[in-house]
Amino acid sequence: GAGVSQSPSNKVTEKGKDVELRCDPISGHTALYWYRQSLGQGLEFLIYFQGNSAPDKSGLPSDRFSAERTGGSVSTLTIQRTQQEDSAVYLCASSLWAGQGNNEQFFGPGTRLTVL
Amino acid sequence: AQKITQTQPGMFVQEKEAVTLDCTYDTSDPSYGLFWYKQPSSGEMIFLIYQGSYDQQNATEGRYSLNFQKARKSANLVISASQLGDSAMYFCAMREGRRTGNQFYFGTGTSLTVIP
Repeated sequence: GAGVSQSPSNKVTEKGKDVELRCDPISGHTALYWYRQSLGQGLEFLIYFQGNSAPDKSGLPSDRFSAERTGGSVSTLTIQRTQQEDSAVYLCASSLWAGQGNNEQFFGPGTRLTVL
Repeated sequence: AQKITQTQPGMFVQEKEAVTLDCTYDTSDPSYGLFWYKQPSSGEMIFLIYQGSYDQQNATEGRYSLNFQKARKSANLVISASQLGDSAMYFCAMREGRRTGNQFYFGTGTSLTVIP
């Protein structure tokens, strides 16, 4: 595709349910990032994938959060037993590589998660 | 300590005037990159400009320029000839190249309003 796509665009769920958020990066981009943006706040890093290397999970807020990237392309962020504080916009970004230089990130439109 | 600090939660500028958005960063990594992103009310993140830590010249992209003062660890964004469409949130970000495996750090953002 032309850009990073995310689905669903909006997700409303009940507290305690599990949710899966999907990200399709730009074809050929080896690096993929997940961020969380709460209302009126900056971006909170969650996790990033670089090629076939082990992901950097240092930003995941709890063990209820996990992410996979299958085949070096599509990524799924899973939140188990959702809590109301998980309500936020979840942004995915990809870049051509995660090395030196102007490896700008291209962002998807985000998934707005609301936990009731 | 915060990796990226943006001290101006909100800024106003008259249309056609220039405005400077402040950003300071904290790193001991000699190799890093600095980025500015724009986030309009529609929510997408738009890359504006990049400055590498070893770049001798200040980066410029059209009406955007980055006032890079390495010794002060500041990377202020200058927008010349402001337009109404520049009203948005602006985020400063840093990538540390070696110490953290290319994780990006974002500031809390500055909300810019351009007044007609």
